[in-house]
Amino acid sequence: GAVVSQHPSWVICKSGTSVKIECRSLDFQATTMFWYRQFPKQSLMLMATSNEGSKATYEQGVEKDKFLINHASLTLSTLTVTSAHPEDSSFYICSASHGAYNEQFFGPGTRLTVL
Amino acid sequence: QKEVEQNSGPLSVPEGAIASLNCTYSDRGSQSFFWYRQYSGKSPELIMFIYSNGDKEDGRFTAQLNKASQYVSLLIRDSQPSDSATYLCAVRYSGYSTLTFGKGTMLLVSP
Repeated sequence: GAVVSQHPSWVICKSGTSVKIECRSLDFQATTMFWYRQFPKQSLMLMATSNEGSKATYEQGVEKDKFLINHASLTLSTLTVTSAHPEDSSFYICSASHGAYNEQFFGPGTRLTVL
Repeated sequence: QKEVEQNSGPLSVPEGAIASLNCTYSDRGSQSFFWYRQYSGKSPELIMFIYSNGDKEDGRFTAQLNKASQYVSLLIRDSQPSDSATYLCAVRYSGYSTLTFGKGTMLLVSP
């Protein structure tokens, strides 16, 4: 149980284009999902908390107009990187809360490369 | 400021030994504690969590929590080369839905 999927697993795009990443909870309903970014050999950085049916809460320093988050259903949250630039190249990982202690279960991640 | 501290390592242990990973946190208003394993290039995987003082065992893994001293540890018995990974400690503070992660400790288990 508690399986989270992400799609795509990797994407290469040109600078200036937008990229959408999907995060799905496959066997449970997730009221809250989270989006993280991780640069090589660095720790996880929380970008935003996504709550179903409401606006996402962004961490300090994360541009909400650049990283659009939508959580339209209890099993799907999306992250859109708008006007992507090479510095946005990173490993993007989502997680979803489930269980009595709201354990976070992570998706497999999406590796974004912006040329 | 809510902080979670881990020694970055690497912690090197021979196969079959016990690996001991430690984590300290800054705020006594903490609620639950999580250990994740992250292989290079992969996303974190939940190993176990603990919320009350004492020990919690799951197979080869034991989590230990001492709220008075504000530390949580993870013991891995009979370490295997496949246990070589970065281990992340995470804390959920009361009133927060988010987790505060440490930077992780790299564990290397040599055959």
